[in-house]
Amino acid sequence: SQQGEEDPQALSIQEGENATMNCSYKTSINNLQWYRQNSGRGLVHLILIRSNEREKHSGRLRVTLDTSKKSSSLLITASRAADTASYFCATEDFGNEKLTFGTGTRLTIIP
Amino acid sequence: ETGVTQTPRHLVMGMTNKKSLKCEQHLGHNAMYWYKQSAKKPLELMFVYSLEERVENNSVPSRFSPECPNSSHLFLHLHTLQPEDSALYLCASSLNTGVDTGELFFGEGSRLTVL
Repeated sequence: SQQGEEDPQALSIQEGENATMNCSYKTSINNLQWYRQNSGRGLVHLILIRSNEREKHSGRLRVTLDTSKKSSSLLITASRAADTASYFCATEDFGNEKLTFGTGTRLTIIP
Repeated sequence: ETGVTQTPRHLVMGMTNKKSLKCEQHLGHNAMYWYKQSAKKPLELMFVYSLEERVENNSVPSRFSPECPNSSHLFLHLHTLQPEDSALYLCASSLNTGVDTGELFFGEGSRLTVL
């Protein structure tokens, strides 16, 4: 089944820098979502972008979607220590309507 | 506080035990899900319920048995598990299922260790 694949698998940056994570997928989608997971906890929904949208903002988060390249990126600006977590993209596949998740990007913010 | 509560948070069981995981959502949603999260693997969808009716069963072994008595409660009954079943089991809910389901609301998970 289709899944999003995040890149990089792990990312460490200094506090205050911007963090960019990418997600690639394989087939047509209805929407793409990003989630955050703190260690050993549940996932928290961050943002949803529909297939007819190209960019979306929420606070310090910026998500882009390029359906021609079947890819999305999540940008976190002015990172904080509290942003340390794993970030997952999930695609709702066209014709399937079930969310499939990738393996995630582990983000570490160094104070 | 996500509105989805899972108990217990941690569970250790032997291969011959029978135990259950419980999930309760206070969001008025109609759909509930069980996911399995193992290290280095994507989240695996196990079961989906919509209005207490199972709509998805992703080839999950019969040693996992779900139960959805009403739209607010979801159980996962466990029996004769294997050590490879050790994982974080996540419950989630959404307003509905189908096209453009939207965001899922997850519980904190139940960390299961099978000895």
